[in-house]
Amino acid sequence: GNSVTQMEGPVTLSEEAFLTINCTYTATGYPSLFWYVQYPGEGLQLLLKATKADDKGSNKGFEATYRKETTSFHLEKGSVQVSDSAVYFCALSQEGYNKLIFGAGTRLAVHP
Amino acid sequence: ETGVTQTPRHLVMGMTNKKSLKCEQHLGHNAMYWYKQSAKKPLELMFVYSLEERVENNSVPSRFSPECPNSSHLFLHLHTLQPEDSALYLCASSPTSVGIYNEQFFGPGTRLTVL
Repeated sequence: GNSVTQMEGPVTLSEEAFLTINCTYTATGYPSLFWYVQYPGEGLQLLLKATKADDKGSNKGFEATYRKETTSFHLEKGSVQVSDSAVYFCALSQEGYNKLIFGAGTRLAVHP
Repeated sequence: ETGVTQTPRHLVMGMTNKKSLKCEQHLGHNAMYWYKQSAKKPLELMFVYSLEERVENNSVPSRFSPECPNSSHLFLHLHTLQPEDSALYLCASSPTSVGIYNEQFFGPGTRLTVL
């Protein structure tokens, strides 16, 4: 079945460090891929998305590229801020399905 | 109000109580969802509604009873809960329940504690 695997956290970084959170997926066909972020005490917010192979989603300095050959959608940011501390979820959806498949989430803690 | 709202934000209840969680979306979407988020577990999809019709029920115990009176409102009725049901309950909506661009918009959640 379809699944999403994320690197386990927590990821702890200093401010202005480079961030990578790995995400790989298993799916038939051509899913859409998403990154959601959950700040403390809040629900999930869509951070970025990509709907076909080689698409790059970007938002707020975060980027992820849909790599079909490696079935990956890694999240990157060149310089993290303390305000980026949150839990990040990778997810996929496929046409004809009525749900998103989420990874387990990766907690990011950024220190000054 | 904009987006997806949930009330109450926090709820404490005993195992014999009956309570309801409310979700409202102001986005004109046709699909709504209930998720359960427990500590150190992946998000669990509980129910999916499309145009007020339940289209998915992921083996959720009958002590959770959803209701969708119209496409803007979704309720989760709770009765005889167990302490392990304590979690953050998230509501979401999307334009449709199918389709490759199934972007979901989430509410802030209700933090439920069962004593």
